[in-house]
Amino acid sequence: AQSVTQLGSHVSVSEGALVLLRCNYSSSVPPYLFWYVQYPNQGLQLLLKYTSAATLVKGINGFEAEFKKSETSFHLTKPSAHMSDAAEYFCAVGETSYDKVIFGPGTSLSVIP
Amino acid sequence: DAEITQSPRHKITETGRQVTLACHQTWNHNNMFWYRQDLGHGLRLIHYSYGVHDTNKGEVSDGYSVSRSNTEDLPLTLESAASSQTSVYFCASSRNTGELFFGEGSRLTVL
Repeated sequence: AQSVTQLGSHVSVSEGALVLLRCNYSSSVPPYLFWYVQYPNQGLQLLLKYTSAATLVKGINGFEAEFKKSETSFHLTKPSAHMSDAAEYFCAVGETSYDKVIFGPGTSLSVIP
Repeated sequence: DAEITQSPRHKITETGRQVTLACHQTWNHNNMFWYRQDLGHGLRLIHYSYGVHDTNKGEVSDGYSVSRSNTEDLPLTLESAASSQTSVYFCASSRNTGELFFGEGSRLTVL
């Protein structure tokens, strides 16, 4: 069975500092991995996805994530946080491109001026 | 522009009543999904469909049902609402690319 864990339900960073949000997954087959972002009172939107091509994936708004099979990790990073990055971030795993996607519990990111 | 819409956006109901949440997408996507979002649990999959007349149970399907009579719609029905079903419900669709497109959510309160 697939599962996702996200270390840290709340992360606070200063504006301009590095953002690091952690995600570990469990999957019996090579996974499809995703990061989604949710702004207040909105639905989720895709930040980036890994589909077995390059292990370093670049997404929107300056975010990127690196797939590390040996660590079963897919951590999300951004070199310099902006106030507009404050949101809820969800890591998710799927076994095929069209299969159901299982979400982690989410990490709330706060950006301090 | 293509989109996915949910209605109602807010609903208050009483325990035991039947409730239906609507989801309509204009992308012509084959795959549609219903999730519920609760603090500390992220999004949990309720039901999903890969095409007309296809429905499947997700991880938290008890007390919920769906039907898919056309490509555009996947209504979610709570047969007898319970307080434990107070939540925010999200509908999503996809076209075999791995990317889910989400609606803006329906907030349901069961008193």
